[in-house]
Amino acid sequence: GAVVSQHPSRVICKSGTSVKIECRSLDFQATTMFWYRQFPKQSLMLMATSNEGSKATYEQGVEKDKFLINHASLTLSTLTVTSAHPEDSSFYICSASKQVTTDTQYFGPGTRLTVL
Amino acid sequence: RKEVEQDPGPFNVPEGATVAFNCTYSNSASQSFFWYRQDCRKEPKLLMSVYSSGNEDGRFTAQLNRASQYISLLIRDSKLSDSATYLCVVENRDDKIIFGKGTRLHILP
Repeated sequence: GAVVSQHPSRVICKSGTSVKIECRSLDFQATTMFWYRQFPKQSLMLMATSNEGSKATYEQGVEKDKFLINHASLTLSTLTVTSAHPEDSSFYICSASKQVTTDTQYFGPGTRLTVL
Repeated sequence: RKEVEQDPGPFNVPEGATVAFNCTYSNSASQSFFWYRQDCRKEPKLLMSVYSSGNEDGRFTAQLNRASQYISLLIRDSKLSDSATYLCVVENRDDKIIFGKGTRLHILP
């Protein structure tokens, strides 16, 4: 149980376009979802935390207008990278928690974004 | 078989004891392996990479067994501050990164 999926797994886009990444909890309701970014050989960097039905909380240094997060239902959160640039190329990973108070996060398989 | 499997625990271990946990992976072509540590409601932090020859960092030793497709993490002389969730992470040749569900460790005073 506690499966999290991401779509797409890999995307290549042109500079200036927007890309939407979906994160779904397949067999549980996710009150909270997290979006991370990972640079090669480095730890995950938390970008934002989203609770269903409310605005996402962004970490310092993460542009909310650049990385739009929507958590419209208990099983789906989306991250939209707007006007993507080559420096946005990275590995984006989401995770989901069943309850607000729990610290157990279930990770998705990640999305590799390459901006040309 | 799940791609990456870990015993969720919790492991309740007295301070000063040695604790070890394993993580199995299903893809024999996996190429990179890591242990992450995640504290309560914090982002996971890279603890150590796992090499074929094994590696040691202070009280922490990580080993890789490719034949049996598992990695292990050994913590010696455990401290209260070691209490956390330890995530096993496997990277495949297609750059796909797979996180285990984590093993919860509680060090008891």
